[in-house]
Amino acid sequence: DGGITQSPKYLFRKEGQNVTLSCEQNLNHDAMYWYRQDPGQGLRLIYYSQIVNDFQKGDIAEGYSVSREKKESFPLTVTSAQKNPTAFYLCASSTGTSPDTQYFGPGTRLTVL
Amino acid sequence: GESVGLHLPTLSVQEGDNSIINCAYSNSASDYFIWYKQESGKGPQFIIDIRSNMDKRQGQRVTVLLNKTVKHLSLQIAATQPGDSAVYFCAEKDLGTGRRALTFGSGTRLQVQP
Repeated sequence: DGGITQSPKYLFRKEGQNVTLSCEQNLNHDAMYWYRQDPGQGLRLIYYSQIVNDFQKGDIAEGYSVSREKKESFPLTVTSAQKNPTAFYLCASSTGTSPDTQYFGPGTRLTVL
Repeated sequence: GESVGLHLPTLSVQEGDNSIINCAYSNSASDYFIWYKQESGKGPQFIIDIRSNMDKRQGQRVTVLLNKTVKHLSLQIAATQPGDSAVYFCAEKDLGTGRRALTFGSGTRLQVQP
């Protein structure tokens, strides 16, 4: 069953703690993305990676970090520097070739207590 | 900055009717557009896409229309069903730039009444 998986589905964190969200894909896609979604709003880009060992900041990268050590995996760390981390986090991937349609995982809902 | 937006936040239709969801975009350089469907608590699901060299594209029960003159995009759903109830997003990209990610609008909620 091919696709994009995100874990966990729900995540709770205390203030001041870092937390890492997992994203795995078995679609053999080169590019991967992290978006944040707040209630009643669209998606905003946090980070993206076009290829292994390379990534770029998106529109709201402050307080987040990523790594891309494997083609299949693109974990996102929400650090204590992120002021409003409670949100729905979505991972996506694409082939990397035009038009480069993005396909999304099921999301992780992060709540800071 | 430039953005993609939607005219109506909520659209309510009767089961069996046709639905039309609208989207305005402001970046005249955008040349690729996608419609996504997002059900509550789930990730966006790809519905249909269109490039700027086309005015219309049809899928199964869905049609996307693109009017580049007024920078307007619409999604038409034929014979709307209860399972179509969701939030619909349009997204755009300028394929000529190095930016790989999409720019999303805020979404329209479609409610299908039985």
